[in-house]
Amino acid sequence: SQQGEEDPQALSIQEGENATMNCSYKTSINNLQWYRQNSGRGLVHLILIRSNEREKHSGRLRVTLDTSKKSSSLLITASRAADTASYFCAPRPISSGSARQLTFGSGTQLTVLP
Amino acid sequence: SQTIHQWPATLVQPVGSPLSLECTVEGTSNPNLYWYRQAAGRGLQLLFYSVGIGQISSEVPQNLSASRPQDRQFILSSKKLLLSDSGFYLCAWGGLNTGELFFGEGSRLTVL
Repeated sequence: SQQGEEDPQALSIQEGENATMNCSYKTSINNLQWYRQNSGRGLVHLILIRSNEREKHSGRLRVTLDTSKKSSSLLITASRAADTASYFCAPRPISSGSARQLTFGSGTQLTVLP
Repeated sequence: SQTIHQWPATLVQPVGSPLSLECTVEGTSNPNLYWYRQAAGRGLQLLFYSVGIGQISSEVPQNLSASRPQDRQFILSSKKLLLSDSGFYLCAWGGLNTGELFFGEGSRLTVL
């Protein structure tokens, strides 16, 4: 399995601004998932985009996927202080088999300032 | 609905002591189960995964072992802890169709 690499490593914005995080990966994927981790807590699944989808929305979240560039982006609109967290992408390789294990990069640490 | 429990939440252990972290899942049967470790400020490292009772796959050779004695129970163990075993340990179970993961709240281990 292979991990996604998030960019930037850290992002600091003002409340109300939009936050964009990027993810790059290397192999062909079945889907790509984004997760959020509040400090000292477990990861929470945010959104999944399939390889045949280009864009997906969920509330204030917008995810895009470009399989030709092997990249994805997560946009959080109208950010709030409560969005402060680490965000991870997890590409699910086509070859992940029955175990479907996912690997994660180092994440993007988002800080939303009030 | 499905829930996942990890315990203990926090653990401080001396070097050389044994370790046992437990994870149980409720509300699903025959889940894929995973143990991850997260060093401070870092990403998640996949340690072990299991697709069924007694079936354990190790991703990284190390001082740790895992066991799955029951369908919904996953245990992470060590006979003798090292300083480098300190970290935040996360258990997760996998959704069968898309592979999305559902994580527990984690166990923070400090080895002194």
